[in-house]
Amino acid sequence: EVQLLESGGGLVQPGGSLRLSCAASGFTLSSYAMTWVRQAPGKGLEWVSTISGSGVNTNYADSVKGRFTLSRDNSKKTLYLQMNSLRPEDTAVYHCAKDLTSLPSGAFDIWGQGTMVTVSS
Amino acid sequence: QSVLTQPPSVSGAPGQRVTISCTGSSFNIGAGYDVHWYQQLPGTAPKLLMYGNSNRPSGVPDRFSGSKSGTSASLAITGLQAEDEADYYCQTYDISLNGFWVFGGGTKLTVL
Repeated sequence: EVQLLESGGGLVQPGGSLRLSCAASGFTLSSYAMTWVRQAPGKGLEWVSTISGSGVNTNYADSVKGRFTLSRDNSKKTLYLQMNSLRPEDTAVYHCAKDLTSLPSGAFDIWGQGTMVTVSS
Repeated sequence: QSVLTQPPSVSGAPGQRVTISCTGSSFNIGAGYDVHWYQQLPGTAPKLLMYGNSNRPSGVPDRFSGSKSGTSASLAITGLQAEDEADYYCQTYDISLNGFWVFGGGTKLTVL
């Protein structure tokens, strides 16, 4: 079964750091671009970051650029989102998602259930 | 405020047809980029409902259809069912300073 499982969320103070992980199973991770999407409580979806299948190319939303770093270890079938200098507005459920095709299409066909990040003092 | 505009809510009775619009600009939909749609049931992760403007992933009923014209896209649902009650999001690529992939603000579909 194709599956994504996020972990690493929790409560952190403003200015703190967290590292989210996304474990992939049932498909060859290196063949697909992967993306993080977040959803603040009661709000809509917000694209956060995308990484190419090889890991060479990454893109970030302006709201997280310079603070978040997306990486992948295809041998471990895991995606990582390092989040630094966290702000209250980063509070959200963070989902990792798989691209439908080997080329970044923006169509995310597999989503994890998400991990909650709460930034509060 | 999202670069893709969706109505906050739509509603319809069982069996009826509803459409959800997604209005963009020349920086995204109007530039020719594909539009994708997601359905999010309460308390669950989003599910890909439509990709490449009008293509349904395996398992999505043909009651759902998508279209695109100019700077807008639409999702149509015919034969509305109670299980269709959910939030729906459109998504595409944006070439402006606003970002890479962008989502619409979402539309809450209520089945009366």
